[in-house]
Amino acid sequence: EIVLTQSPGTLSLSPGERATLSCRASQIVGSSYLAWYQQKPGQAPRLLIYGASSRATDIPDRFSGSGSGTDFTLSISRLEPEDFAVYFCQQYGNSPLTFGGGTKVEIK
Amino acid sequence: DVQLVESGGDLVQPGGSLRLSCEASGFSFSNYAMTWVRQAPGKGLEWVSTISDSGGRTFYADSVEGRFTISRDNSKNTLFLQMNSLRAEDTAIYYCAKGEWELPTYFDYWGQGTLVTVSS
Repeated sequence: EIVLTQSPGTLSLSPGERATLSCRASQIVGSSYLAWYQQKPGQAPRLLIYGASSRATDIPDRFSGSGSGTDFTLSISRLEPEDFAVYFCQQYGNSPLTFGGGTKVEIK
Repeated sequence: DVQLVESGGDLVQPGGSLRLSCEASGFSFSNYAMTWVRQAPGKGLEWVSTISDSGGRTFYADSVEGRFTISRDNSKNTLFLQMNSLRAEDTAIYYCAKGEWELPTYFDYWGQGTLVTVSS
């Protein structure tokens, strides 16, 4: 199975700053089938990005995804207070589908 | 609006059984594969099981194969997960999720989850 490694584990930033989150796969993710989710405490995950770079419905354009092959990035251009959360990547190019361990974006 | 509402989570002893349900609304349930994903306390997400739109195909993670059974009732827009021979490591919040495709896929809607605790 494909192992997804997210880094850093925790990102400490201030509102208005740019966040850059990494997701590295142990094998090539077919067709760039990589998704990103946001999860706040006590809530279900929320789909942000699919196909590595396509924003899901109603997701603000400050969220963007990029990458291919084994290296993928989620960028948040200017952090809003509601963006402080945990972010997970997920690959669906190969079975079984797998998730990364998450990156926590916390207020500095 | 799409809604997924899980229920059935509880405290159960090791070796016990539990049946989870997920009631769906706001979309054509019978046209979509459905999935269970779990999250152990303080941990990441783990795919558990997926069922095809018709219910004719089922898929399981190795960690639950032979112990869990996924099913659905399209007439009642409800997804189920029968969990047998439960172990401490099955303790988690269980989410039902709607996938864009069968497998593999990403998940565009998730329920709020139901907590399963396996402990004596």
